[in-house]
This record gives sequence, C-alpha cells and structure tokens, in this order.
Amino acid sequence: ETGVTQTPRHLVMGMTNKKSLKCEQHLGHNAMYWYKQSAKKPLELMFVYNFKEQTENNSVPSRFSPECPNSSHLFLHLHTLQPEDSALYLCASSQGLSENTEAFFGQGTRLTVV
Amino acid sequence: KQEVTQIPAALSVPEGENLVLNCSFTDSAIYNLQWFRQDPGKGLTSLLLIQSSQREQTSGRLNASLDKSSGRSTLYIAASQPGDSATYLCAVGPSNNNDMRFGAGTRLTVKP
Repeated sequence: ETGVTQTPRHLVMGMTNKKSLKCEQHLGHNAMYWYKQSAKKPLELMFVYNFKEQTENNSVPSRFSPECPNSSHLFLHLHTLQPEDSALYLCASSQGLSENTEAFFGQGTRLTVV
Repeated sequence: KQEVTQIPAALSVPEGENLVLNCSFTDSAIYNLQWFRQDPGKGLTSLLLIQSSQREQTSGRLNASLDKSSGRSTLYIAASQPGDSATYLCAVGPSNNNDMRFGAGTRLTVKP
C-alpha cells in the first residue's frame, strides 16, 4: 500500500460510454499526476496538477479530461474513447518539485475500450 | 527532450546471483533519479530515490548509483531471490518541470 488509491481497478467501456477514473492520496502531497502505460511502451505523462492547478498537459486528446477538486483527489473523465486508448492508467503524487521529491504510485486502472 | 534507456530489456538469472541493471539518460539537468519495481498488472513501487547531489543510495540488498555527468545509473541487486522477479523501471526527475521521464524497463526473472 503506497498511500495512493485508484478506483476502479478494472474498467471495460464502449466507445460511446462516459466513465471516470478516481485517484485519492492522503500523503499530504501537493502534486498529482496521470500516466498512461501501454504495452511495450514507457510510461507517458498525461497531466500534472500542482496545488490543484494544471501545470502540464502533454498533448493529450480532449476525450481525456482531468479534474482536480482538491489536493487529495484527482479524476480522469473519459468519453468517446478509441480501442487504442486501452492501457493501464496510473496515478501518482509527490510533494513539490525538489531533489527530495519522491513519487508514489497507485495500483492503476486497467482500461479496456471495446 | 530527455530520453531514458534501460539495458537489458530482459534478464534471467539463477537464484543467488548478483546482478546489475542499467539506466542511461540524455540530459544531465535533473533533480533526482528514482528506481521503481512493477509486478505484472500492478502499479509502481518506489525502491530508491537518488538526489542529483548524491552518488548512491542503499536499501537492503539494493544499491543504486548515479553518475550525472555521464548520464548513467545502475541498480545492483545482491543475492537475487525469486521474489525479485518483476519489471524494474528508472525515472528521471527534471530540474525545471514535473515531467518525470521513464525508461521502458528491464524485466527480471530469477529462477529458483
């Protein structure tokens, strides 16, 4: 248990569905991240929130919409996804940006788009 | 743009062997480097964090080194055990943004 909790653990959705992934951390961290991990590819950073403000958006398609209502919670809203969006979506959190910044990850949500 | 490479992509060793995993990065302007372990279908577990001002970190049977000037880090695992079987990922924390860059990982199998 890393202190970062993701729900659901598994999700199967059709291309016309709307669903949301949830991430919660109680580590007192002020930065939260969404990563995508596809088969045989390195983790790709999608979004970064620092003190609830989005600071990074790595050219992610608009069918992925993040929301950060407070420093402890992060959502990823999904709509009209494509089969190639099937992947493991990982949430992480860290305390600021410094040499001591250690990132902690959740267990991920395995998403399958059919 | 920072690029992180891990060699080898896969490694299989007998139990008890000492082994070294390699990570290289192209941009030395980093805050830190972190080694993670990932079991199949699971999230990442942080193993070691090396700050840019440090040369190495140790935790139990694990020792990680960092040579920032040459853009290299190694993860040394002593007396490997079957439970060490997993994918090991290195990630570089840049000094100017939150975009931590990952290598593709080394898949380790330790045979009993």
